[in-house]
Amino acid sequence: NAGVTQTPKFRVLKTGQSMTLLCAQDMNHEYMYWYRQDPGMGLRLIHYSVGEGTTAKGEVPDGYNVSRLKKQNFLLGLESAAPSQTSVYFCASSSKRSRGLKNITSLRSPQYFGPGTRLTVL
Amino acid sequence: DQQVKQNSPSLSVQEGRISILNCDYTNSMFDYFLWYKKYPAEGPTFLISISSIKDKNEDGRFTVFLNKSAKHLSLHIVPSQPGDSAVYFCAGHVRVGSGNTGKLIFGQGTTLQVKP
Repeated sequence: NAGVTQTPKFRVLKTGQSMTLLCAQDMNHEYMYWYRQDPGMGLRLIHYSVGEGTTAKGEVPDGYNVSRLKKQNFLLGLESAAPSQTSVYFCASSSKRSRGLKNITSLRSPQYFGPGTRLTVL
Repeated sequence: DQQVKQNSPSLSVQEGRISILNCDYTNSMFDYFLWYKKYPAEGPTFLISISSIKDKNEDGRFTVFLNKSAKHLSLHIVPSQPGDSAVYFCAGHVRVGSGNTGKLIFGQGTTLQVKP
């Protein structure tokens, strides 16, 4: 059980280049998230997904696209990288716990994070 | 608009003493609060959470206190150990729209150093 893994761990891009960050989880979690962490700013949500085939915008979605074609994978794409996208990117996942007849997110279900991808855009 | 604030960038305590990390928030819609711990070059690790209807939650050496009227929460670690040295993030959980999921709003983090 590897938990949440991210590929690659490090990457250097030139302005205008594109790339895709891959996140994979083996915990059968329904929800997945992409964050970026910048000095003095904590973690900020980029995009998230509540299930296979669905995605939604977070706090800072501009310049990024995501896809969730399989339940266990969540991809973050940068179509045209900019220096402002230099950051550490974290993927996370969490479960949806059922209560009785109604599916309610376990509000205590913590998000489990991957080890991060350090991206530098020159 | 910083909805979750950790005003102390760093904290240093002696091994065996109590560490108190503070967090303030402005969003009254948070229904849970969580603390995460982060070591360098690793992802954040969940530590403890508290419902907005509680005022205290305890798990071993870690206790989180919530003062809803002051919009303030704190994490107490007692006794502190050198292995507790890390960056600690507090986060508020808020539901998204009418769905069943939520999102986390993180504070800036506080670096805790526990000296042997």
